[in-house]
Amino acid sequence: QSVLTQPPSVSGAPGQRVTISCTGSGSNIGAGYEVNWYQQLPGTAPKLLIYGNTNRPSGVPDRFSGSKSGTSASLAITGLQAEDEAEYHCQSYDSTMSGSYVFGTGTTVTVL
Amino acid sequence: QVQLVQSGGGVVQPGRSLRLSCLASGFNFGSKGMHWVRQAPGKGLEWVAVIWYEGINIDYADSVKGRFTVSRDNSKNTLYLHMNSLRVEDSAMYFCARDKGDQVLDYWGQGTLVTVSS
Repeated sequence: QSVLTQPPSVSGAPGQRVTISCTGSGSNIGAGYEVNWYQQLPGTAPKLLIYGNTNRPSGVPDRFSGSKSGTSASLAITGLQAEDEAEYHCQSYDSTMSGSYVFGTGTTVTVL
Repeated sequence: QVQLVQSGGGVVQPGRSLRLSCLASGFNFGSKGMHWVRQAPGKGLEWVAVIWYEGINIDYADSVKGRFTVSRDNSKNTLYLHMNSLRVEDSAMYFCARDKGDQVLDYWGQGTLVTVSS
């Protein structure tokens, strides 16, 4: 019952650029709430990757970048590396939902 | 450094109860909101509950409201999730997470598996 929609999977060759979309609505992303992104390597806990739409925590490579426009947000990975193979989740805030914290449906990135 | 170490979980029959714990270290626990987030096998993340500061302000996802109770003991730097009337669909990996502020979850526990099965 996720209110944020992501593509189930994206793939790319090493060195390529891939993007992951996160589509919301006027009660969440479109209402001005910020989007955060988390990387979840296989068998591990999620890790904060991007916060406040575009900000990288210390230690996150600048190959990862975030953007937001209207009711959607995107995560871009440039110079794709084998270690980037993981699941990626977007997260925002929704004023109409109980508790208000909402996650995307998740996207698996495969490095060919 | 910030650490969140989880315990509890396991296999339980439908209708029974279980308690999860999350021991925090490396920061002023009482000054941060804390969340529970779960992930069913092969599924995305689902936000479960949040508890703020002294534990007065609490909120739950509709899917667990009335069955789950989140609490915290700031003297023990520990977050809890009491799960009652468990259902098969509650089976998931449960994560605790710290709220950085501005609706950002910046540190996560390692996760603990809950399986509800007869």
